[in-house]
Amino acid sequence: AQSVTQLDSHVSVSEGTPVLLRCNYSSSYSPSLFWYVQHPNKGLQLLLKYTSAATLVKGINGFEAEFKKSETSFHLTKPSAHMSDAAEYFCVVIRLTGFQKLVFGTGTRLLVSP
Amino acid sequence: ETGVTQSPTHLIKTRGQQVTLRCSSQSGHNTVSWYQQALGQGPQFIFQYYREEENGRGNFPPRFSGLQFPNYSSELNVNALELDDSALYLCASRGGRNTGELFFGEGSRLTVL
Repeated sequence: AQSVTQLDSHVSVSEGTPVLLRCNYSSSYSPSLFWYVQHPNKGLQLLLKYTSAATLVKGINGFEAEFKKSETSFHLTKPSAHMSDAAEYFCVVIRLTGFQKLVFGTGTRLLVSP
Repeated sequence: ETGVTQSPTHLIKTRGQQVTLRCSSQSGHNTVSWYQQALGQGPQFIFQYYREEENGRGNFPPRFSGLQFPNYSSELNVNALELDDSALYLCASRGGRNTGELFFGEGSRLTVL
């Protein structure tokens, strides 16, 4: 069965500093991995996705993630945090055969201070 | 804006009651799924509907049921409410291509007292 583990429940950064949100996955076959973001009182929004093409994936708002099979990781990064990046971030693995089911991690809350 | 709308946004029920949550999918999307997000947790898959038929279900009891209508709007029904059913319920839709991207509504927050 597929699963993801988000290693940090909270990450605090200062505005303008780099962001690193960590995610490890477990999958019996080559996974499709995603990062979703949830702003307060908003629905979930897709940030980026990996589907076995390039291992470095670029998403919206300057975020990117690198798929590392040897480390079973899919960490999310951004060179410079902005106040508007404060939100809950979810690493997600998906089953694409048969019915589609997203398996979410427990989430990482990103706090950005001025 | 994802084009997915849910109602009501908030509601309070008491244990044992029944609740119906509604979702209007993005135009052209024929697949809808429902997720439960308990406080401090990631969303958990409840079930999925495709062209009015349930075609996938997570680890939820039968008192969680759903419907999808010909216009692809959807309902989630929960009977015999329990305190642990308190959560944010998210509806998500997608089109025919299975790209993995879902479009989520803002959710219905249910509190069971």
